[in-house]
Amino acid sequence: KQEVTQIPAALSVPEGENLVLNCSFTDSAIYNLQWFRQDPGKGLTSLLLIQSSQREQTSGRLNASLDKSSGRSTLYIAASQPGDSATYLCAVSTGAQKLVFGQGTRLTINP
Amino acid sequence: DAGVIQSPRHEVTEMGQEVTLRCKPISGHNSLFWYRQTMMRGLELLIYFNNNVPIDDSGMPEDRFSAKMPNASFSTLKIQPSEPRDSAVYFCASSLELIDSYEQYFGPGTRLTVT
Repeated sequence: KQEVTQIPAALSVPEGENLVLNCSFTDSAIYNLQWFRQDPGKGLTSLLLIQSSQREQTSGRLNASLDKSSGRSTLYIAASQPGDSATYLCAVSTGAQKLVFGQGTRLTINP
Repeated sequence: DAGVIQSPRHEVTEMGQEVTLRCKPISGHNSLFWYRQTMMRGLELLIYFNNNVPIDDSGMPEDRFSAKMPNASFSTLKIQPSEPRDSAVYFCASSLELIDSYEQYFGPGTRLTVT
């Protein structure tokens, strides 16, 4: 059974810092990995999707990497801003579009 | 595009009552998903449809839960009878299933409270 773990559970950093969020999964047989952002009381917003054949994806200040063999992904946020404060969720697709989610990292950017 | 639309946004009901949650996927998407989010268990897939057909309902907790997708633009998740442990946020998501892309787009969720 696929399990997804995100560390740390919470992170607080000052504005302007670069930071890395971590995601690990137990079964390397994945179709893709998706990073989401969730604001309090809101739905999930897709940030980046990495296909299993890819190593990384970039969107603006965000860069996500994927190492299938080691079962790891990282989300790098450059020059963090208070507006980046949210919970970040990692999810892996185990096939047929089934997503298994991690518990998330709650990120706080302090002005 | 309006995105995935869910209604109601909030629902408070008493134990034993029937609850119906509704979802309108993004136009043109051919897959629809129902998820449940709780503090204890995080986000869990309940059921998903492809081309209006239920593909995997292994996440549906018990017979009290049922889901339908009568057409490509509408789906319901019904709980009958509801119980306090069903209190959670229920999300609907949709995607366009292509050979190499399965990006899912989520609705704002329905916060269900069963007293």
